Amino acid sequence: DVKVTQSSRYLVKRTGEKVFLECVQDMDHENMFWYRQDPGLGLRLIYFSYDVKMKEKGDIPEGYSVSREKKERFSLILESASTNQTSMYLCASSSPGGESRAGEQFFGPGTRLTVL
Amino acid sequence: EDQVTQSPEALRLQEGESSSLNCSYTVSGLRGLFWYRQDPGKGPEFLFTLYSAGEEKEKERLKATLTKKESFLHITAPKPEDSATYLCAVQLPYKLSFGAGTTVTVRA
Repeated sequence: DVKVTQSSRYLVKRTGEKVFLECVQDMDHENMFWYRQDPGLGLRLIYFSYDVKMKEKGDIPEGYSVSREKKERFSLILESASTNQTSMYLCASSSPGGESRAGEQFFGPGTRLTVL
Repeated sequence: EDQVTQSPEALRLQEGESSSLNCSYTVSGLRGLFWYRQDPGKGPEFLFTLYSAGEEKEKERLKATLTKKESFLHITAPKPEDSATYLCAVQLPYKLSFGAGTTVTVRA
């Protein structure tokens, strides 16, 4: 069974802290994505990667960075957490590479981050 | 600007009461339209992909259809286990653009 796992289901951090969210997929997928999901706004793409060490900005990259050192792992970093980054964060992966297959994405369970 | 709009925001159904969800889109040159199901506290789960107008896909009580401007997700004789948020997304180069979703509640 295909699987995308995220390091935490719930996380509470303080304003100004550096936050790491990790995502691991076991499907050998080339493409990986980070989204945030807020009520009424749907899923918004933060960053994506279509290869190891490659990264592309999504629609709302400000305040975030990412790292992809290995094919199976994609990390989202909040350099200095702020209260407006309180949200549900979802990781996804897809295969094979190329734009035509970005749609059949497999999602992790999500991390609900609260920044106080 | 590429846009995806879903309606209604919420839908309350009686068990067995069929209904439809709408996803309208403005994308130049549709590469694909996707439907996902999301249960509370979980990540979205892929349901269907539609690529061209007139195409239809079915899975159990769900049927997705596509026209040049919109897609419908028909729920036939729903059961309480069909309660979820249904998300629509359109394919853009290397990424998806999601609608805000329709939350369906089916009462026994």
